[in-house]
Amino acid sequence: AQKITQTQPGMFVQEKEAVTLDCTYDTSDPSYGLFWYKQPSSGEMIFLIYQGSYDQQNATEGRYSLNFQKARKSANLVISASQLGDSAMYFCAMREGADSWGKFQFGAGTQVVVTP
Amino acid sequence: KAGVTQTPRYLIKTRGQQVTLSCSPISGHRSVSWYQQTPGQGLQFLFEYFSETQRNKGNFPGRFSGRQFSNSRSEMNVSTLELGDSALYLCASSVTTGSGGYTFGSGTRLTVV
Repeated sequence: AQKITQTQPGMFVQEKEAVTLDCTYDTSDPSYGLFWYKQPSSGEMIFLIYQGSYDQQNATEGRYSLNFQKARKSANLVISASQLGDSAMYFCAMREGADSWGKFQFGAGTQVVVTP
Repeated sequence: KAGVTQTPRYLIKTRGQQVTLSCSPISGHRSVSWYQQTPGQGLQFLFEYFSETQRNKGNFPGRFSGRQFSNSRSEMNVSTLELGDSALYLCASSVTTGSGGYTFGSGTRLTVV
């Protein structure tokens, strides 16, 4: 069964606008971490933001914020004030349990294109 | 500070051959993970090493193997290559147990013909 679901295959957003990328997850483990990564056309995966399952506050990192709704098993990424350089593939990922370390489960990704 | 270095960047191999990919983690990082990325299957976890020991393994056939050296550098090997092994292979590293994000390299793009 799919553990991470990203329902938006692609989206266009205008420069300077905010964009929300959807991510839902499925786990029965009470301890897990949620991550967002950005993959530009160069191929490198760039870590953006992390939310732990026990974190009370939503994570924020500069223009990135994570809207964590635990009961709904949702971890949406919000990018404020989009820039042309934000055009990339965005992946939501989960790490389950205390023993998973570098074992991430990734969603299918959302392709974001920022237009002038 | 140097990032995660993967070599080679591009590789073309013939079916039936074997291939070795290399990953040098960020200095001080002891945990290394490998992923396969294909258009059809997306990103799939291959295995993870910490201090030369395999910590986790994904659901890949035994043709896929890896190892980690005492300097934390890691290699993965694919034997008897199949066309379906064509993919971007990504390596990621972290300091210890991976609290927070891992740093990924730019990958090795393997094409099997």
